[in-house]
Amino acid sequence: DAGITQSPRHKVTETGTPVTLRCHQTENHRYMYWYRQDPGHGLRLIHYSYGVKDTDKGEVSDGYSVSRSKTEDFLLTLESATSSQTSVYFCATLGTGDGYGYTFGSGTRLTVV
Amino acid sequence: SQELEQSPQSLIVQEGKNLTINCTSSKTLYGLYWYKQKYGEGLIFLMMLQKGGEEKSHEKITAKLDEKKQQSSLHITASQPSHAGIYLCGADSGLISGTYKYIFGTGTRLKVLA
Repeated sequence: DAGITQSPRHKVTETGTPVTLRCHQTENHRYMYWYRQDPGHGLRLIHYSYGVKDTDKGEVSDGYSVSRSKTEDFLLTLESATSSQTSVYFCATLGTGDGYGYTFGSGTRLTVV
Repeated sequence: SQELEQSPQSLIVQEGKNLTINCTSSKTLYGLYWYKQKYGEGLIFLMMLQKGGEEKSHEKITAKLDEKKQQSSLHITASQPSHAGIYLCGADSGLISGTYKYIFGTGTRLKVLA
């Protein structure tokens, strides 16, 4: 099934522990994004990637790091989870050319206790 | 499952012209968000609509949510080259089985010719 797969779908973790979220795409899209969504607020960009090993910070990047070693995988790491990082995390890709359009993953609900 | 249909997929207009982008849902929306992205950058939050019939404006961009809360339109008056980019609608479909569900359209690519 083509598209984006985010894993895990749900996670509960303790404050201070590192957490890695995975985004896997089968669309061969160049651009990939990590956003967080908090109830009543819009999406906020954490980090994005415009190619393998090419990443840049978004508006809320503090406490997060990313890696993209392959076109299909974009990893988001919370270096030391805090309660303020409790959120729903979305991965997205942007297709260009004939395959233009956004594809969003189903989201990962992260709770930091 | 609920989906958001956005139309048109792409749009090319002459500078100074008005334009409208639509976002339609098959189910009632509890919160509808509009975003803009300049090419190569992340999404920028424009506005959020929650109440049926609500209308919000920011500079030359006006967004409306219909009374049934199933369709939203984004209208740009007297378009300028700075309006060019990708416009995306996103929706909060409320609590389903105790979990908030968020969905997104595929975006509308707008080009404004000077």
